[in-house]
Amino acid sequence: DQQVKQNSPSLSVQEGRISILNCDYTNSMFDYFLWYKKYPAEGPTFLISISSIKDKNEDGRFTVFLNKSAKHLSLHIVPSQPGDSAVYFCAATTMINTGNQFYFGTGTSLTVIP
Amino acid sequence: NAGVTQTPKFRVLKTGQSMTLLCAQDMNHEYMYWYRQDPGMGLRLIHYSVGEGTTAKGEVPDGYNVSRLKKQNFLLGLESAAPSQTSVYFCASRYRARSEAFFGQGTRLTVV
Repeated sequence: DQQVKQNSPSLSVQEGRISILNCDYTNSMFDYFLWYKKYPAEGPTFLISISSIKDKNEDGRFTVFLNKSAKHLSLHIVPSQPGDSAVYFCAATTMINTGNQFYFGTGTSLTVIP
Repeated sequence: NAGVTQTPKFRVLKTGQSMTLLCAQDMNHEYMYWYRQDPGMGLRLIHYSVGEGTTAKGEVPDGYNVSRLKKQNFLLGLESAAPSQTSVYFCASRYRARSEAFFGQGTRLTVV
């Protein structure tokens, strides 16, 4: 049972425009959320995170929004650049489970068109 | 500072062969994880460890074993490889809860 879902397998955006990547989760115990970026033949790299006590976190061009009531988070990239083309995974975790493991979505492949 | 290093990067196995994937981290992290990535499936947790000498099963543990004899190393073993274990394997480590995990570069394993 997929606890973290990314329903858009792919997204194409023009350079300079906003990219919005979405993620939904089902487990109300999740209290920490992350976005990872992955280039081909490389491991995922951490991008940005948000705790459940916040509803927004910004880091440069990247902003993550959390809507706990809707169990939804989104990643905004403004402005989008060709180097942002990659697969983006959202992940969630909870302090309840002993290993604090991440649950990952299936990823969204972002293409930024020059 | 190497971060998380996986060995080997690529491997082709015949069905029934065994092998061990090595993950080494130099960040003194307590938690270590093994994931596999398959098309359309995202990253799925195989096994994890919350400290030296401890291991636990994740979401898809069947056919794999792990050991964490030293804090910096986390080994993933396949005793009798099957074609269904063809995948890209990622190791990750993290310092504590509510912190990001750092990933290795991956091991592409093909079982024929």
